[in-house]
Amino acid sequence: NAGVTQTPKFQVLKTGQSMTLQCAQDMNHNSMYWYRQDPGMGLRLIYYSASEGTTDKGEVPNGYNVSRLNKREFSLRLESAAPSQTSVYFCASSPTDDRDVPEQYFGPGTRLTVT
Amino acid sequence: GDSVTQMEGPVTLSEEAFLTINCTYTATGYPSLFWYVQYPGEGLQLLLKATKADDKGSNKGFEATYRKETTSFHLEKGSVQVSDSAVYFCALIYGGSQGNLIFGKGTKLSVKP
Repeated sequence: NAGVTQTPKFQVLKTGQSMTLQCAQDMNHNSMYWYRQDPGMGLRLIYYSASEGTTDKGEVPNGYNVSRLNKREFSLRLESAAPSQTSVYFCASSPTDDRDVPEQYFGPGTRLTVT
Repeated sequence: GDSVTQMEGPVTLSEEAFLTINCTYTATGYPSLFWYVQYPGEGLQLLLKATKADDKGSNKGFEATYRKETTSFHLEKGSVQVSDSAVYFCALIYGGSQGNLIFGKGTKLSVKP
């Protein structure tokens, strides 16, 4: 099992450029998440998808859009990148079955720099 | 709103020293509590969890006890190793399968040989 995979690992953009971060999981999980990690800030939730076909805003959604393409894939799009979006982006997934507290499984991250 | 507060780092210890990383939370109900660990260049991994008051989570020599009376979930290890060097995140979640994790800011631990 590959778990949660993310592409690309690194990316440099100029202000105003657009790009899509890709995430896929092979664990048949229903829920998927996008976080950003900034120094001294911990992880903050950008968007999440509780199931295929649904998406919801998290704590910091401005400047981002998401697509739950199918059960496996959840992409994050920056339409017009800004320097404030320089960060490390993590995708995560979790099962939503009869477990009381499902664990979230994280990908290795994408380091994005916007100049 | 709900929040998690961790002791600020970085924390630097010698090998075999005792580790405590403090974590307290603010929540209106009874969340589940987690410690995640992030090794250099990697994503987060679940280290341990506790789902109700007085539960003790443990893994790889690390322990944390869910203390409702002090709203705390402090991480401890009796003898740290160089390989424990990482960033540790305390987090809480509500609502079972539909809940979202709320993270603390992280504490960087460096263990010197």
